[in-house]
Amino acid sequence: DAKTTQPPSMDCAEGRAANLPCNHSTISGNEYVYWYRQIHSQGPQYIIHGLKNNETNEMASLIITEDRKSSTLILPHATLRDTAVYYCIVRGNAGNNRKLIWGLGTSLAVNP
Amino acid sequence: DTAVSQTPKYLVTQMGNDKSIKCEQNLGHDTMYWYKQDSKKFLKIMFSYNNKELIINETVPNRFSPKSPDKAHLNLHINSLELGDSAVYFCASSQDAANTEAFFGQGTRLTVV
Repeated sequence: DAKTTQPPSMDCAEGRAANLPCNHSTISGNEYVYWYRQIHSQGPQYIIHGLKNNETNEMASLIITEDRKSSTLILPHATLRDTAVYYCIVRGNAGNNRKLIWGLGTSLAVNP
Repeated sequence: DTAVSQTPKYLVTQMGNDKSIKCEQNLGHDTMYWYKQDSKKFLKIMFSYNNKELIINETVPNRFSPKSPDKAHLNLHINSLELGDSAVYFCASSQDAANTEAFFGQGTRLTVV
């Protein structure tokens, strides 16, 4: 079972920031938080990952709370092409815990 | 050039047939995966190979047999297809087994009739 909880759907206006929350209250100390997205009829696409510190790349920012029990993916200026299902995944780095276990994600609709 | 390519993109076949899906990656990665995405959109890992060796083998019917002739290719062969095998199958690769910045193919939509 997925170790994360996400809202099933969200809306965002084009040009505004999209803030996608994720709860992972049972996360272990050596487990990372990964975000992927899946645009309709395409394969999933890696976005970002982090352990403790906040991370930023050209696609998004990842904010992880100090207790690591939740995180937020931020798309700073959402565009229509960001409409997709966003998956938050907790993953370890050894043995069977390295598998990505996917939930149902958040379906983000970016509206004009 | 496409990083991870799967063929065919669509596959419609009758129950009981045997079919194969091919996957190739040109990223020089060591690890490759097969995932199944069912009608409810759950994405589940089926197999993972690292340098042609099987490292993850989930509870999958033995009608499904992966084959990795070299580390750039991971094919999926399915015997005696059943209606419940209808799904989208995704191939993916990552630099190594510890790295999960995985690159996915476009998927193969398998429909068993």
